[in-house]
Amino acid sequence: DAKTTQPPSMDCAEGRAANLPCNHSTISGNEYVYWYRQIHSQGPQYIIHGLKNNETNEMASLIITEDRKSSTLILPHATLRDTAVYYCIVRVNSGGSNYKLTFGKGTLLTVNP
Amino acid sequence: GAGVSQSPSNKVTEKGKDVELRCDPISGHTALYWYRQRLGQGLEFLIYFQGNSAPDKSGLPSDRFSAERTGESVSTLTIQRTQQEDSAVYLCASSTIGTVNTEAFFGQGTRLTVV
Repeated sequence: DAKTTQPPSMDCAEGRAANLPCNHSTISGNEYVYWYRQIHSQGPQYIIHGLKNNETNEMASLIITEDRKSSTLILPHATLRDTAVYYCIVRVNSGGSNYKLTFGKGTLLTVNP
Repeated sequence: GAGVSQSPSNKVTEKGKDVELRCDPISGHTALYWYRQRLGQGLEFLIYFQGNSAPDKSGLPSDRFSAERTGESVSTLTIQRTQQEDSAVYLCASSTIGTVNTEAFFGQGTRLTVV
């Protein structure tokens, strides 16, 4: 019952920006957008999250549309080590039954040399 | 330790045996989650603990699966009478609850193989 839609796979050239889209058209006003990634054989790793403003950290940037129905994760200079499955998740931050993280199928990003 | 610790890292068991998987969350993290990931598949939610509230067990696939957590400390996931379809990586994660720093941190998982 994931609330997000992502393309199953994408390719990106090393050194170029990777732009990963996510649709969350049923997002509620109090739900945040979270991004995680899972590199092969490892546990998922948190990347970034936001509510309505664009966010940037040392790993990536998150662009959320004004209507909050979609977002894009941007890896500005993709490296081979960024090859992973990227998950977009929506959830509230205030606890309760909606606090759990529900993972969809994600996007397999392959960074090519 | 600074991160979420899971043990054992690998477990091979015979069909029909019971197994117990352990998760040590990050100190102070109120929320704790268990997931199952079969080979080549996505993360399947199993159970979620939130402080002293009743856990959300909606993802447990059968009554052979159960989990316990004492307060905000260690959690154990128990699988009774294991079946071959239980073979998977079992992942645990923990997080705070609030409006900041709420990202979940995952352990490296326990790879369970039922033979």
